Amino acid sequence: SQTIHQWPATLVQPVGSPLSLECTVEGTSNPNLYWYRQAAGRGLQLLFYSVGIGQISSEVPQNLSASRPQDRQFILSSKKLLLSDSGFYLCAWGGAAQYFGPGTRLTVL
Amino acid sequence: RKEVEQDPGPFNVPEGATVAFNCTYSNSASQSFFWYRQDCRKEPKLLMSVYSSGNEDGRFTAQLNRASQYISLLIRDSKLSDSATYLCVVNLAGGTSYGKLTFGQGTILTVHP
Repeated sequence: SQTIHQWPATLVQPVGSPLSLECTVEGTSNPNLYWYRQAAGRGLQLLFYSVGIGQISSEVPQNLSASRPQDRQFILSSKKLLLSDSGFYLCAWGGAAQYFGPGTRLTVL
Repeated sequence: RKEVEQDPGPFNVPEGATVAFNCTYSNSASQSFFWYRQDCRKEPKLLMSVYSSGNEDGRFTAQLNRASQYISLLIRDSKLSDSATYLCVVNLAGGTSYGKLTFGQGTILTVHP
């Protein structure tokens, strides 16, 4: 069966610091991968998706970037965090139906 | 107009009650429809897909009306463990194609003893 991992589970970072969140999927090959963000009291917003190694599409302009160095690895990064980057970051895999990892709760102070 | 709109809620019901959630979507080209459940500070989990013919999974029944662009979820014999936020979700893609999930704001359900 497929499993999706994310780390870290929680993160507190100062404004202006870099960010790297990692997501890995097991039990499937060449998955479509996604990064979503859920800000406090708001709905989920798609940030990036990837259909293959090195293929990244961005949904919204922002302070973040994504990379897919391996088939089942998806990384979300930032060079300098903003207060507005705080939120619950969720990695997902799938097609029409998508399955989410446990998420990373990021607080930028 | 929001792409996916849900009942504002919150719903507060006793154990054993039947509760219904409604949702409308604005893009008639949407191909796939789902209900997700999200517990407090956890990730959303797929509860069930929704089909035009209607589908049932135990105490849960989902319906889709494409003409009205309307989706519903019925929970019978509510349990304490059903307490969660229920998210109505649509996708322009179908099958295994990649696609962006569009989420409703969610409806909070609390089931009390």
